[in-house]
Amino acid sequence: EVQLVESGGGLVQPGGSLRLSCTASELSFSTYWMGWVRQAPGKGLEWVANIKQDGSQRYYVDSVKGRFTISRDNAKNSLYLQMNSLRAEDTAVYYCVADRSGNYPYWGQGTLVTVSS
Amino acid sequence: EIVMTQSPATLSVSPGDRATLSCRASQSVSSFLAWYQQKPGQAPRLVIFTASTRATGIPDRFSGSGSGTEFTLTISSLQSEDFAVYFCQQYSIWPPTFGPGTKVDV
Repeated sequence: EVQLVESGGGLVQPGGSLRLSCTASELSFSTYWMGWVRQAPGKGLEWVANIKQDGSQRYYVDSVKGRFTISRDNAKNSLYLQMNSLRAEDTAVYYCVADRSGNYPYWGQGTLVTVSS
Repeated sequence: EIVMTQSPATLSVSPGDRATLSCRASQSVSSFLAWYQQKPGQAPRLVIFTASTRATGIPDRFSGSGSGTEFTLTISSLQSEDFAVYFCQQYSIWPPTFGPGTKVDV
């Protein structure tokens, strides 16, 4: 069974940084685009970023461009999201997703990021 | 950016009923449309992709239809485990965008 396990969430002050990690098991990780989708408390889903299999292409939602960086390590079956200059509006559960041609058949359980003073 | 809308916001039904959920895109997305089910405290689960293809493990009481800008998710006979929020998502045009969701409850 495919598993995606996120870690690294927590409480951070506005302007601070966090690095999220996602480790995949039972997934042919290096063959998938991977991404992050977030969900603010009580709200809907928002795609945040994704990265090509070899890391050569990366895309971001406009609201995080220049602040967030997505990366991956195929040798470790791991995906990362470095989040800098965090804002209150970045508060959300962040889900790691495996991206199959734009839809998401596999999701992690999510990790909560709270930006507050 | 393509804006996705869903109706109704809440659908009140009973077990055994047929549920019909609608999703509309602000411009054509062809058949690049997915549906996800989310239960409280859980991650979303893919139900339908390419507008009408059931994902692995999804029972055949779930069906999707539509193309272009109008899409429908139908649950033919609601079971207790189907009460959840359903989101549609377009992946035709970057960036991928989700609808606000339809809550299916009793």
